[in-house]
Parts: sequence; structure tokens; C-alpha cells
Amino acid sequence: DQQVKQNSPSLSVQEGRISILNCDYTNSMFDYFLWYKKYPAEGPTFLISISSIKDKNEDGRFTVFLNKSAKHLSLHIVPSQPGDSAVYFCAASGFTNAGKSTFGDGTTLTVKP
Amino acid sequence: NAGVTQTPKFRVLKTGQSMTLLCAQDMNHEYMYWYRQDPGMGLRLIHYSVGEGTTAKGEVPDGYNVSRLKKQNFLLGLESAAPSQTSVYFCASRPGLAGNRGQETQYFGPGTRLLVL
Repeated sequence: DQQVKQNSPSLSVQEGRISILNCDYTNSMFDYFLWYKKYPAEGPTFLISISSIKDKNEDGRFTVFLNKSAKHLSLHIVPSQPGDSAVYFCAASGFTNAGKSTFGDGTTLTVKP
Repeated sequence: NAGVTQTPKFRVLKTGQSMTLLCAQDMNHEYMYWYRQDPGMGLRLIHYSVGEGTTAKGEVPDGYNVSRLKKQNFLLGLESAAPSQTSVYFCASRPGLAGNRGQETQYFGPGTRLLVL
């Protein structure tokens, strides 16, 4: 049973528009959520995170929203830029799981000029 | 700082051969992880370590062994490679939990692409 799901394998948006990437989780013990960005032939890099005590965290063009009751989080990128084209992974961790994170399958974002 | 490095970057093996993937980090991190990533899938945890001399199984440990003899190094071994182990392997590290709750970020290496024929 997949505990972290990214139901959209791919997303295509026009440069300057908003990109919204979604993630759902099932384990109520998760209390920290992260987004990673991955370019081809590179390792994932941390993008932004949110603790379960918050419902929003913003960092420049990137904002993560958390809806605990729905077990849903989303990443908003505004405005989207061609350099944002990458695979985005949602990850979740909990206090009791030895620092491990559970990853979704990723969403490939393509930003068209 | 080099961060997390992985050796080799690419390798081709024949079925039944063995090899060791090396991961090294210079951030003095307590925790280290080995993942595999297959096309269209996320990162699946193979084994992990919460400190020097300790290892534990992750989600997909079969066919792999690990060792953490030094804090900065985490080795992943394949004793008898199978075509199903064709994948991209990522190593990651992070600070330990003590006093670092909230610092959940894992730092990843560039990956090792393994092809088993």
C-alpha cells in the first residue's frame, strides 16, 4: 500500500503561469513533509518543506500548502520558469520512523517558454 | 564541502557478478540511506544506517547487503547481480534525530546507474 501518492505523473504549463503539484498521504503519523526537485542524471535536491503544525510555507516562488484533515499537500510555483522543468518528489516523515522518508512516485513538470 | 559522493557513476554487470557501490559524505551526518529508483517510480529504500556500525533493512532489501564501518562511508553490495537490480541507486544522508527534529532534509548523491545483463 503506497503511503505517499502523486497521482499526476506529468504536468505541462506555460512560462509565467502557476504550476500546482499535488500529493496525498495515508499515514496519520507523518508530521513533516518535503518536496524535492530532480534534474536528469542528478540526485534529488531539497526544495521546500512544511511541518504538520503549519498549513502554509513560502519560499520565494514556491509555496507548500498542507491540509491535514484531507491528508493532502500541494506545491505551488508562481511564476513558473523553464528552469523549473524537472521531476518533483513529495516525501513524508514521522517522528517514530528513524528519520526515514517515504517518497511518492514523482511528477514530471514541463514549463514551456 | 563535496557533500555526498557516489562511486562509480555507471557500471555494467553480468548476471551473477558482484560489486560494491560506495557512498561518502563529509557533513558528519549520523544517518545514511540507500535507495533505488526505477522508471516511473519513486525512491524505494533498500537499507539504512543510523550510526557507525549499525544497519537496518528498508523496503526492498533482498539481494543487497550494506556496511557502515566508518561514519562517513556507507557501502552497498550486490553479491550476485540479477537483471531485476538494473536501476539507478542513490545514497543520501541527514543529521541524526537528537536535537535535529525538523531538520528532515536528506542530502543526495548524484546516483550510480547500474545495468545488469
